[in-house]
Amino acid sequence: DQQVKQNSPSLSVQEGRISILNCDYTNSMFDYFLWYKKYPAEGPTFLISISSIKDKNEDGRFTVFLNKSAKHLSLHIVPSQPGDSAVYFCAASMNTGNQFYFGTGTSLTVIP
Amino acid sequence: DVKVTQSSRYLVKRTGEKVFLECVQDMDHENMFWYRQDPGLGLRLIYFSYDVKMKEKGDIPEGYSVSREKKERFSLILESASTNQTSMYLCASSPSLPEGLEAFFGQGTRLTVV
Repeated sequence: DQQVKQNSPSLSVQEGRISILNCDYTNSMFDYFLWYKKYPAEGPTFLISISSIKDKNEDGRFTVFLNKSAKHLSLHIVPSQPGDSAVYFCAASMNTGNQFYFGTGTSLTVIP
Repeated sequence: DVKVTQSSRYLVKRTGEKVFLECVQDMDHENMFWYRQDPGLGLRLIYFSYDVKMKEKGDIPEGYSVSREKKERFSLILESASTNQTSMYLCASSPSLPEGLEAFFGQGTRLTVV
């Protein structure tokens, strides 16, 4: 049973516009959430995270929003750049930190 | 920089072969993981280990085993490779609290079983 879900397999956005990637989770015990970016034939690289005690975390062009009541998080990329084209995975963890639950990924294409 | 190194980028093996995938991390992390990535299924956890000689089954352990004899090394073993084990295999490591919660991934091994 998928505890972390990314319902949009793909997303296309024009360069310079905002990209919004969404993620839903079912387990209320999750208290730490991460976004990873993955290029083909490479391992995922960590992008940004958020603890459940916050509702927003920002790092440059990347902002993650967490809505605990809705069990929903989103990643905003502003402005989007062609180099952002990749597969994005959201992941969740409990505070033990020794297991991560990943979504199925969203493939983002930024059109120049 | 954390470095997680997987022994091979690409492997082709025959059905029934015993396959070893090796992973080494250089940051003294307690936790290590093996995932496989398949289109439309995301990353699925095969096994993880939170200490030397300790292992825990993930979501899809069938057909796999693991070994962690040293802290820095975590091996995934396919006892008798089958074509449905053709996949991208990803190793990761993470520190224990309070150092952090991010998992760091290796570059992946694309395994093809023929």
